[in-house]
Formats: sequence, C-alpha cells, structure tokens
Amino acid sequence: KQEVTQIPAALSVPEGENLVLNCSFTDSAIYNLQWFRQDPGKGLTSLLLIQSSQREQTSGRLNASLDKSSGRSTLYIAASQPGDSATYLCAVRNQGGKLIFGQGTELSVKP
Amino acid sequence: DAGITQSPRYKITETGRQVTLMCHQTWSHSYMFWYRQDLGHGLRLIYYSAAADITDKGEVPDGYVVSRSKTENFPLTLESATRSQTSVYFCASSDGTKYPHFGDGTRLSIL
Repeated sequence: KQEVTQIPAALSVPEGENLVLNCSFTDSAIYNLQWFRQDPGKGLTSLLLIQSSQREQTSGRLNASLDKSSGRSTLYIAASQPGDSATYLCAVRNQGGKLIFGQGTELSVKP
Repeated sequence: DAGITQSPRYKITETGRQVTLMCHQTWSHSYMFWYRQDLGHGLRLIYYSAAADITDKGEVPDGYVVSRSKTENFPLTLESATRSQTSVYFCASSDGTKYPHFGDGTRLSIL
C-alpha cells in the first residue's frame, strides 16, 4: 500500500528566504509524482509533474526533484514571497492511475 | 468553457439520508477521481475510474458508491450518510498523462 508523507506539516519563513518542502513515499513503483498548491477554501492547482524517469522539473522559482530509489521528492522555492503562502501537496501516481496524496505542508511567508 | 464542475457546492443533510454529489467534466478525460479532505488527513482517495464503466476503490471507499455510465460524469453517492462523512469532497479528472484538474469542491455537512 502506497503511503505518502510530507514534512514539515507547517512552515513559516520571512519573505525572500529560499525553502525546501519534503515528500516521501513508500512504494518506488510510481508512474509520476506531482506537486500541487491549495489556497484556503479553494481547489488544487498543479505546479509541477515529474515522470518516473526524470530527476527534476523547474517552473519559474520552483524546482522539484525526484529520487525514486529512495522514495523522496523535494520542492524548492526560491526567493519566497507572501503570495506563495498556501498549502503544498505532493501526490504519487501508480501505473494503474491511482493518485495518492500526502497530508500537505502549510507554508506561511511573512512580509 | 471546458472544465470540471461539482454540484452542489454546499450541502447540509441528516444522518441516514442518501446524498449524491455530482461531477461533470468537458475534456473527455478518461480518468476521474473522488477525494475527501479532512483536517489532519489531507486528501484521501475514495474511488477512481479509468474509463466509462470501470471503477476501482481508493483508500477510504466504505459507505460510498460510484458509477460511470458516461465518460463525462462521475457521481458519488452516500447511501446512508453518517456524521463521519462530513467533509469537503473534491472531484478531479485527468487524461492519464498529465496532472489532474480539480473541481472547486463540495462542502458536505451531515447533522
């Protein structure tokens, strides 16, 4: 059974700081790994998707890495801004299409 | 406009009643998902579907029923609602190769 864990559960940083969010999963037989953002009371917005054969993906100030063999992924946010405040979720997809989420990291960026 | 629509957005009902949450997508995506989101548990997969007439259990399927007679619709039914099913429910769809698109959620309260 695939289990996805995100650490830390909450994080507060001053504006401008670089930060790393962590995601780990128990079954390395994944199809892809995805990072999402969720604002309070809203649905999920996709950020980055890393295929199982890839090591990283970048979009603007965001960089996600994947180490499938160790069951880990990190989301790096450079030069954080107050607008980055949200909950960040990672999810792993298996070959059959099942998509399992971690519990999320609630990020607060203080001006 | 293409998109994914959940209805109703808010629902209050009583224990023991049957409740159906609707999900409609206009992309003809093959995959559709139902999740519930609760504090401390993140998003948990209830059921998913890889195509019309194909459904499979997720992490927390007990007490829920789904059907998918048409590709664009994926209703979720609580046959006899219980207080523990009070939650925010999210529907999502995907073509299987990219990240899924999420609806805005249904806030369900069971009294």
